[in-house]
Amino acid sequence: EDQVTQSPEALRLQEGESSSLNCSYTVSGLRGLFWYRQDPGKGPEFLFTLYSAGEEKEKERLKATLTKKESFLHITAPKPEDSATYLCAGTGTYKYIFGTGTRLKVLA
Amino acid sequence: DAGITQSPRHKVTETGTPVTLRCHQTENHRYMYWYRQDPGHGLRLIHYSYGVKDTDKGEVSDGYSVSRSKTEDFLLTLESATSSQTSVYFCAIRTGGGEGEQFFGPGTRLTVL
Repeated sequence: EDQVTQSPEALRLQEGESSSLNCSYTVSGLRGLFWYRQDPGKGPEFLFTLYSAGEEKEKERLKATLTKKESFLHITAPKPEDSATYLCAGTGTYKYIFGTGTRLKVLA
Repeated sequence: DAGITQSPRHKVTETGTPVTLRCHQTENHRYMYWYRQDPGHGLRLIHYSYGVKDTDKGEVSDGYSVSRSKTEDFLLTLESATSSQTSVYFCAIRTGGGEGEQFFGPGTRLTVL
């Protein structure tokens, strides 16, 4: 059965304290691994797509990486505005399997 | 902004009543999806559509039906709402091919009393 697991469930960081979020996946024939940001009361906002192991993508303080078993979202020198829930999802076909997310809180 | 709107944004209804949620897109994407999001479960697929009048079930489809008579509209119907269907419902479109990104609407918060 296809599955996506995220850890930790919640993370509190001080402003400027870098860290990483983990997304472990078992998705048959993975064709894409996606990261989203979700703010309270809003829909998920697309961040990155990774297609193959070894691929990396960056956007501001965020960098996503992919291996054959997991993906990491690295947050460098976070700011309070980076506080949100971060979701990852994998797809092997036209269906997407989502993890339950990591709730990130960045303290000023 | 992928041009996705959902209506209504909030709804309170009573057990046993029918409810229809609407998703509207402006960019002619072929694939559309309905998810529900509950604490501890993440986003779970209810139904999806791969074209006008072409739909299929997701992992939590019991108690829900969908219809797509036009490319731009995807309707989700709860035939007889139950309290277990209290949730936040998100519509999404998919761009590109099989590995295309999904973009989400703003969500509908549904409460069934």
